[in-house]
Amino acid sequence: EAQVTQNPRYLITVTGKKLTVTCSQNMNHEYMSWYRQDPGLGLRQIYYSMNVEVTDKGDVPEGYKVSRKEKRNFPLILESPSPNQTSLYFCASSADRANTEAFFGQGTRLTVV
Amino acid sequence: DAKTTQPPSMDCAEGRAANLPCNHSTISGNEYVYWYRQIHSQGPQYIIHGLKNNETNEMASLIITEDRKSSTLILPHATLRDTAVYYCIVRVRNTDKLIFGTGTRLQVFP
Repeated sequence: EAQVTQNPRYLITVTGKKLTVTCSQNMNHEYMSWYRQDPGLGLRQIYYSMNVEVTDKGDVPEGYKVSRKEKRNFPLILESPSPNQTSLYFCASSADRANTEAFFGQGTRLTVV
Repeated sequence: DAKTTQPPSMDCAEGRAANLPCNHSTISGNEYVYWYRQIHSQGPQYIIHGLKNNETNEMASLIITEDRKSSTLILPHATLRDTAVYYCIVRVRNTDKLIFGTGTRLQVFP
């Protein structure tokens, strides 16, 4: 089954404690991205990657890092999380930059206290 | 990217057609209309997209006006499981991101 898998689904952490949210897709997609969703603000893109070792900033990249060492994986790294990064995070992948049909993961609800 | 305007909420009786409108009066000639939906807090799900012509797939139909300034997503026989937030998005093909607005919250009732 084609899917994008994120882990963990829920996470509560403390300010400053580094964390990684993993994302993996099994469709051999080249294009992957991370979004965050906040009430009243909709989904905003954090980072995206067009292929292995190729990443770029989205609209709200501050406080986040990503890596793309393998095609299937695109982890989101918060080096020093802060409470304003409390949000619902989604990873997405698509076959190419045309993004005709993006597949989204189930989401990761992160709370930073 | 062109902006879209959608009603914040709509109701639909189960089994009836749900017609969700979207205005995109500033759409450019090379911008596509995409529809996604989000059920509760799950990841958004692709529904359909189009440029000029009307489109239909197993989930829905997309009707785009001739001037392309508005479109309607049609769910022909709405079910309770179609209750979700529906997002209309316009974007240039081959660009990096989907810009989600606030969408229309569709409530399907028995």
